[in-house]
Formats: sequence, C-alpha cells, structure tokens
Amino acid sequence: EVQLLESGGGLVQPGGSLRLSCAASEFTFSTYAMTWLRQAPGKGLEWVSTISGSGAYTYYADSVKGRFTISRDNAKNTLFLQINSLRAEDTALYYCAKGLAAGGTDSRYFDYWGQGTLVTVSS
Amino acid sequence: DIQMTQSPSYLSASVGDRVTITCRASQGISYWLAWYQQKPGKAPKLLIYGASNLQSGVPSRFSGSGAGTDFTLTISSLQPEDFATYFCQRADSFPRLAFGGGTKVEIK
Repeated sequence: EVQLLESGGGLVQPGGSLRLSCAASEFTFSTYAMTWLRQAPGKGLEWVSTISGSGAYTYYADSVKGRFTISRDNAKNTLFLQINSLRAEDTALYYCAKGLAAGGTDSRYFDYWGQGTLVTVSS
Repeated sequence: DIQMTQSPSYLSASVGDRVTITCRASQGISYWLAWYQQKPGKAPKLLIYGASNLQSGVPSRFSGSGAGTDFTLTISSLQPEDFATYFCQRADSFPRLAFGGGTKVEIK
C-alpha cells in the first residue's frame, strides 16, 4: 500500500522559514509527479506546488511563488517543500500527494495523500 | 484564472436519498475534473477523475458527469459512511489547479 508521511511542520513567527518533508514508500517514487496541497483550518483545499518525477519541472501557485521551493530526492524517496517569508495566511495543514498516473493529464489528479503536517504562523 | 463554484455548500439528506452536487467552472475545462470526499480529520479521497471515471475501489453508487463548464457528482443511494465534505478539482491547466469551495453533506 502506498504510504506518504509528512513531517517538519510547527509554530513559526511571521517572516520565518520551515522545511517540510514527505517520505514515500511502496511505489516507484521517481516515476510520479508529486504535489503539495494545503488546507487552512476549517477551509477548503488549495494546490500549492508540483514537481515532475525527474525534478526537472516545477510549478507553483501564485500565492506562494518566490517564497516556496519544491524539490525531491529520488534516491531517498522524499519530497520537500522549503517555505520562506511565512505569513499568517500560510497557516494550514500541508499535504503531500501522489499523481494518479506517471504522466499526462491524469498526473494532475491525486490518488494518495499523506495525513498532513500543520504549519502555524503566529507571533 | 478559472474559478470553480460548487453548489450547494451544504445539504441535509437521509440514508437512501439520491444526492446531486454541482460544480461549475468559469471557463470550459473539457473533461478535466475530479471529485474528492473528505471526512473530518482525514485526507481527501479521490472518487471520480476525468469527470466520469470511477476511481478504483470506490462504490458504484458514486457517479460523475458533465463536460465543459458544468459537472455533477451523484450519489445514487446515500449511505451512512457518505456523510462528508465533497470537493471538485479542475485539472485542465497544469499547473493552475484549483478546487471548489466544498459541499458538506449532513444527516437529516
């Protein structure tokens, strides 16, 4: 069974930084695009960033572009999200998710999600 | 950016009811739409992709339809485990993915 386990969340002051990790197992990690999404408390879902299987291509939501950086280590089956210049509105549960297919349009649907790691931005 | 609008935002229904949730895109997105179910404290679960394709392991009482700007998720006979929040997601323009605001289905 595919497993995704996020870590690295916590309480951080505005302007601070965090590095989130997502450890993946039971699938060929390097083949699949991987995505970070977030959900503010009591709110809806927001797509944050996606990285291709090779790591060559990255995509960001406008709300995080220039502040967040997605990366991956295929040798360690791990996805990362470096989040800088944090704002109160970045407070959310951050999920990593696997694309439904290795490529193409179906990679934009998410069939496995982790349980999330909570980022709280507050002074 | 294309906006996704779900309706209703809340609905109350009984076990056995037929339930329909609508998602409207502000511009056409062909068939590039998914539906997810989320229960409290849990991660979302993929139900439908490509507007009408049932994800593996999802009960057949769930179905999706539509194309272009208007989409529908139907639960043919609501079961106790179906009480949850449902989200649509556009997938037409990578990377500009977006979700609808959600529909909370509660027990009448």
